[in-house]
Amino acid sequence: QQQVKQSPQSLIVQKGGIPIINCAYENTAFDYFPWYQQFPGKGPALLIAIRPDVSEKKEGRFTISFNKSAKQFSLHIMDSQPGDSATYFCAASKETGTYKYIFGTGTRLKVLA
Amino acid sequence: GAVVSQHPSRVICKSGTSVKIECRSLDFQATTMFWYRQFPKKSLMLMATSNEGSKATYEQGVEKDKFLINHASLTLSTLTVTSAHPEDSSFYICSASGSAYEQYFGPGTRLTVT
Repeated sequence: QQQVKQSPQSLIVQKGGIPIINCAYENTAFDYFPWYQQFPGKGPALLIAIRPDVSEKKEGRFTISFNKSAKQFSLHIMDSQPGDSATYFCAASKETGTYKYIFGTGTRLKVLA
Repeated sequence: GAVVSQHPSRVICKSGTSVKIECRSLDFQATTMFWYRQFPKKSLMLMATSNEGSKATYEQGVEKDKFLINHASLTLSTLTVTSAHPEDSSFYICSASGSAYEQYFGPGTRLTVT
């Protein structure tokens, strides 16, 4: 019940395409869902996050879609660029307790020039 | 804002020695800090959670005596890998949180034990 399932494991798109990364969770107590971007040899950087009271959130070219009833959320990257090539992790957390994150397994994205 | 630093970025040590990694929140006070370990092409594995002035809470399977964590102030946490062995070689990443939800990650420390 603590797992966050992420797919696909890897993704290749052409420049300008819209890669979509999906995550699913079981624990309905989760109430905070961030996405992180990680380049090789670097720490993860927070991209965007959402809470269950909204169905969509946009920040620049990054959009999260959230489906509370299906317990799923997705990251869309608009007008993708080669510089977006990185590994993306979704995570889930809950207000009570230690606020620790449960991370997805990661998606390696490659954007072709 | 929300910058977290780690030192050193890379360290090589001999088997049997101890290594200390520092994690600092540079522009905010971190009430909670987290330590992760990441294997190549894998996700982040939470090792422990620490609150300032309190003992760290370790995840199941993480040896408390091998991975010593100290959260001495609201801006500094340290991870000491004691009696390091080659299997401890990994990428160690800390994160810091000043609020209930958001975690900001450091750049990571690559530990190689020879």
